[in-house]
Amino acid sequence: QSALTQPASVSGSPGQSITISCTGTTSDVGGYDSVSWYQQHPGKAPKLIIFDVSNRPSGVSNRFSGSKSGNTASLTISGLQAEDEADYYCSSYTSSSSLVFGGGTKLTVL
Amino acid sequence: QLQLQESGPGLVKPMETLSLTCTVSGGSISDSSYYWGWIRQPPGKGLEWLGSIYYGGSTHYTPSLRGRVTISADRSRNQFSLQLSSVTAADTALYYCARLPRWYSGGWYDKYYFDYSGQGTLVTVSS
Repeated sequence: QSALTQPASVSGSPGQSITISCTGTTSDVGGYDSVSWYQQHPGKAPKLIIFDVSNRPSGVSNRFSGSKSGNTASLTISGLQAEDEADYYCSSYTSSSSLVFGGGTKLTVL
Repeated sequence: QLQLQESGPGLVKPMETLSLTCTVSGGSISDSSYYWGWIRQPPGKGLEWLGSIYYGGSTHYTPSLRGRVTISADRSRNQFSLQLSSVTAADTALYYCARLPRWYSGGWYDKYYFDYSGQGTLVTVSS
């Protein structure tokens, strides 16, 4: 199972919006509404920020939103803040009854 | 408050078996609303799903590690464990244990994300 494809890095200024893409295949992202996103700060465990494509867990800012079109899922962060600087990982259920992650995207807040 | 804590040797020799335990507090691994899994992250790299175990003891493993990985549970101790055999340097990673939700709608269905994890434990494979 190949990893999902994410850009290695994205950047944005405070207050701006950024979008991180996550591209898979019909055997994972395109085949199931089971895409999730995790935020990971250095030295910390990953934190769930989006599940089932577009749902936010309780306590996660509504500045984070998710969507999916075909084989590509997207995470949008609006009103960028310094604390959003972190690594972001997407994940999807697969036809092999497994989970696959993206390679991760480093977000830099300029 | 749910807490998961990984424990085990931080150094394993090549071709030996890596063994880790996840102790769950503030919740029960016998709760059918959840299932439990393992994830790893090589230093400086991305996340990799290893596998999961359910209330009834059934397991699922990632295809790339099938045959080397075993996940088991000890309900009396509220713990679940990971064993990875014939390790190499490529298995050096931060290992996380995690909880995944299930939901009920006429039957139990799995959700494919983890909402809680431990802080991770670093395992280095080296002679």
